[in-house]
Amino acid sequence: EDQVTQSPEALRLQEGESSSLNCSYTVSGLRGLFWYRQDPGKGPEFLFTLYSAGEEKEKERLKATLTKKESFLHITAPKPEDSATYLCAAYGQNFVFGPGTRLSVLP
Amino acid sequence: GAGVSQSPRYKVAKRGQDVALRCDPISGHVSLFWYQQALGQGPEFLTYFQNEAQLDKSGLPSDRFFAERPEGSVSTLKIQRTQQEDSAVYLCASSYLRKTEYSNQPQHFGDGTRLSIL
Repeated sequence: EDQVTQSPEALRLQEGESSSLNCSYTVSGLRGLFWYRQDPGKGPEFLFTLYSAGEEKEKERLKATLTKKESFLHITAPKPEDSATYLCAAYGQNFVFGPGTRLSVLP
Repeated sequence: GAGVSQSPRYKVAKRGQDVALRCDPISGHVSLFWYQQALGQGPEFLTYFQNEAQLDKSGLPSDRFFAERPEGSVSTLKIQRTQQEDSAVYLCASSYLRKTEYSNQPQHFGDGTRLSIL
């Protein structure tokens, strides 16, 4: 059965304090690994898609990387507006989402 | 509008009532997905449409859940004889491509309907 886990469950950072979020997946025939950002009361907002091990993508303070079993979302010098829940989803037969990491960035 | 629109945003119903949730996808999008998101959890897949055809309903939790997309655009998720465990946010997402053609086409999500069953 396809499975996605994320760690940590919650993370509090000071503004400017870099860190990484982890997404571990067990998916047959991975076709893509997606990262989304979700703000309270809103739907997930697309950030990145990764397709093969070794691939990296960047957007502003965020960089996503992919291995054969994990993906990492690196946040460099975060700002309070980066506070949100970050979801990863593995696409095999269907999209399987992880439970998310709730990120709080304190000023 | 340019995005996926869902209505109502909030729905409160008594246990045993039927409810209908609507999704207006982005115009021209072929694929439409429904998800259920419990508090503090990620979205869980319910069903998938390619145009008007419901190609996958493996995630629907019981036969009380029914979805349709008769003209290949607007979709409705119906829950009959609601139970308290049906309380969740129901998300709709659409995408331009068919599911099997996915390359870098993400799903575009609506803001969901928050369903509360009393």
